[in-house]
Amino acid sequence: GAVVSQHPSRVICKSGTSVKIECRSLDFQATTMFWYRQFPKKSLMLMATSNEGSKATYEQGVEKDKFLINHASLTLSTLTVTSAHPEDSSFYICSASGFTSGTHTDTQYFGPGTRLTVL
Amino acid sequence: QKEVEQDPGPLSVPEGAIVSLNCTYSNSAFQYFMWYRQYSRKGPELLMYTYSSGNKEDGRFTAQVDKSSKYISLFIRDSQPSDSATYLCAITEAAGNKLTFGGGTRVLVKP
Repeated sequence: GAVVSQHPSRVICKSGTSVKIECRSLDFQATTMFWYRQFPKKSLMLMATSNEGSKATYEQGVEKDKFLINHASLTLSTLTVTSAHPEDSSFYICSASGFTSGTHTDTQYFGPGTRLTVL
Repeated sequence: QKEVEQDPGPLSVPEGAIVSLNCTYSNSAFQYFMWYRQYSRKGPELLMYTYSSGNKEDGRFTAQVDKSSKYISLFIRDSQPSDSATYLCAITEAAGNKLTFGGGTRVLVKP
């Protein structure tokens, strides 16, 4: 199956700082990447969808200036949480879909997640 | 009414039993159906996906889709303690589109 990695797996930062999370597709071309947020014992909440080379589309209620998404290549997307505050503490997960060997993956493959703690 | 409904559980079964999970959905435009397994503090792992009514089997897992009833199921045979996790159904209208998730069912397989 397709493999998606995320880095870092865990980050602790001080309030007011910015944090960048990387999401990489390791063995396929990720034309579309998705960023999710998950609270404890809750399902995934989609934050934004990004297509390679285009601006991200944010879900209603998600601040695009707060959560900056870049998808500049077919293997890498980044989520930057700007001026993080304790309420931004959460589990952030990316997923990707795209093409492998010329065939669309049909579904989304998820990264292992990044746990952000803002003090 | 949520677009995708899933019983949150928890569902507790003895080792070796069959685990039965299901979701109902309301949008008839949904065409792709997926089941993910998520362990605590990990990303979801794709177990099964299908885009047609009927059954699909992969090892101990069987996914069932009934588009006429808007009902999907996942069965896990010979359940193991390592199957203890949260299972999420996810549905979408077209490949590559954003997914609509059920709330997840927590499963506990007791040795």
